Amino acid sequence: DSGVTQTPKHLITATGQRVTLRCSPRSGDLSVYWYQQSLDQGLQFLIQYYNGEERAKGNILERFSAQQFPDLHSELNLSSLELGDSALYFCASSVVGITDTQYFGPGTRLTVL
Amino acid sequence: EDQVTQSPEALRLQEGESSSLNCSYTVSGLRGLFWYRQDPGKGPEFLFTLYSAGEEKEKERLKATLTKKESFLHITAPKPEDSATYLCAVQARAGGTSYGKLTFGQGTILTVHP
Repeated sequence: DSGVTQTPKHLITATGQRVTLRCSPRSGDLSVYWYQQSLDQGLQFLIQYYNGEERAKGNILERFSAQQFPDLHSELNLSSLELGDSALYFCASSVVGITDTQYFGPGTRLTVL
Repeated sequence: EDQVTQSPEALRLQEGESSSLNCSYTVSGLRGLFWYRQDPGKGPEFLFTLYSAGEEKEKERLKATLTKKESFLHITAPKPEDSATYLCAVQARAGGTSYGKLTFGQGTILTVHP
């Protein structure tokens, strides 16, 4: 158990819908990262927050957004969902964000029908 | 753009048969190279971080090494419970908009038969 929690574990929804994925980092960690894992693309970095502020951005679609709240938990919002958005979404956390280890949560499996 | 290539894609071993997994990388200044283990449907589990060429780290039957262009994960006398996908990732020194980003390889699927 990494100490990173994610909810829900599974999410099944329809095209065009909007969903919110939630992540609670390990106690004491200030940085939160979101990754997407699909069969064809592997693990892809989406976005990083540090102490409530956006710190780095990957190839995150405009339909996706995230935020980190004062209690350091983070939410990833996915809207106008498409079939291709079906994937495992992982949250990771680290203490600061510079070369420190990223610990991954168990993931949320999103299925878009 | 940072790139990570892992080989082989899949590796089947008999219990006790030692082998190595390869991770070749191209990065604009390496800040760190990370190895993770991932079981099906689970989140990646951290194994090692390597920072500079020549560095080595060990944990039980696993040993990771780093050169300027690649990293190896050596598995000595593997057991069936070592079966998993092993992921390699790099973090670049470039910073800026890629500050904490990890770039992952596609992984090596290791199967150890009893």
